[in-house]
Amino acid sequence: SQQGEEDPQALSIQEGENATMNCSYKTSINNLQWYRQNSGRGLVHLILIRSNEREKHSGRLRVTLDTSKKSSSLLITASRAADTASYFCATALRGANNLFFGTGTRLTVIP
Amino acid sequence: DTGVSQDPRHKITKRGQNVTFRCDPISEHNRLYWYRQTLGQGPEFLTYFQNEAQLEKSRLLSDRFSAERPKGSFSTLEIQRTEQGDSAMYLCASSPMGTSGPGEQFFGPGTRLTVL
Repeated sequence: SQQGEEDPQALSIQEGENATMNCSYKTSINNLQWYRQNSGRGLVHLILIRSNEREKHSGRLRVTLDTSKKSSSLLITASRAADTASYFCATALRGANNLFFGTGTRLTVIP
Repeated sequence: DTGVSQDPRHKITKRGQNVTFRCDPISEHNRLYWYRQTLGQGPEFLTYFQNEAQLEKSRLLSDRFSAERPKGSFSTLEIQRTEQGDSAMYLCASSPMGTSGPGEQFFGPGTRLTVL
């Protein structure tokens, strides 16, 4: 089974609203990453947060990490139609060389 | 464009045939990964190379699958005796050597395999 699970599976919002996606995982991690995937650009890395970090920002993105709850959230502020995509969290487990991806959240931003 | 490239982008084959995919990583990246993604799911790890050495293989990688990375540059993924269950998007990613654990990975556009 995959390490991460995103919630919700699908999210539809109006342009300008904020979007929040959550990710839960099962075992200790080295870092957690968020990726975006759409048909035009494939899978693109958004942000990486290490296990000793609690919050990280990148432009309109804000990621939080709670290792005690084994969960992370991705907040996209002031959403745009171009943010329409699937968003995946991916965990890097301690001692592992690969990433474990969740099932993704499908975000639709309505213009 | 100096990103990760994959060839072909699409492959349609009949069950039982062999197929081979190629991945060209970003030139200075030591690490190369293969993932498989089916509709509605996230990518699933298949195998990992550090330079030319194949260091890790998922149990998803049956004996019909083989991957190589000669000279630590491009990589090939071969599927022998394809089955309909092999239909998926095959993604390649690369990353530079990091100090601990996998960091940001750069993905190619993928090869979509359809087995009839």
